[in-house]
Amino acid sequence: DAGVIQSPRHEVTEMGQEVTLRCKPISGHDYLFWYRQTMMRGLELLIYFNNNVPIDDSGMPEDRFSAKMPNASFSTLKIQPSEPRDSAVYFCASSQTYGTGYYEQYFGPGTRLTVT
Amino acid sequence: RKEVEQDPGPFNVPEGATVAFNCTYSNSASQSFFWYRQDCRKEPKLLMSVYSSGNEDGRFTAQLNRASQYISLLIRDSKLSDSATYLCVVNSPGTYKYIFGTGTRLKVLA
Repeated sequence: DAGVIQSPRHEVTEMGQEVTLRCKPISGHDYLFWYRQTMMRGLELLIYFNNNVPIDDSGMPEDRFSAKMPNASFSTLKIQPSEPRDSAVYFCASSQTYGTGYYEQYFGPGTRLTVT
Repeated sequence: RKEVEQDPGPFNVPEGATVAFNCTYSNSASQSFFWYRQDCRKEPKLLMSVYSSGNEDGRFTAQLNRASQYISLLIRDSKLSDSATYLCVVNSPGTYKYIFGTGTRLKVLA
């Protein structure tokens, strides 16, 4: 299995530009999560989807952030316009549930975003 | 109070030492607990789940204390390869959200 795939791995952009991060979850997984990690705040959940439907976006910092999951094998996180404080590592993770219970989340390698 | 709190460390220990980390959580209704490991500039990976009765996986032992709302991780006979950040993870009750602690950094010295 290829695991969770994210692209790009690194992104450097100027303030005000639009940034789109991409994620391909593990095939068959029904949950997809977007996280942001910084030294100061650690790993924060931004939004998660179940069967392509957004369930909880309360972690999305503001309207500049949006996420979509048009199908089971693809999701995007968009920042428009980007700001220097958005600089962080963005992780996508997926998991498969079997009814009740909690299961391992598999993380992608992350996208390191730098906004200058 | 943070939902999940960990001592950031770093814990610097010699090879072969035993080291323990604790993590406290604020929501008494949480039911699922995990330890994840994150190497420098890499993604987090599941180390082990934490079960109510405690569980062991080789040199690693995890314990849960519901009364005091903390979980622990014990590493015996530390290896250089154990150097990493260890993340305590707790579920947010009623959701599939996981709350990650900010991590405890371990450095095993030769």
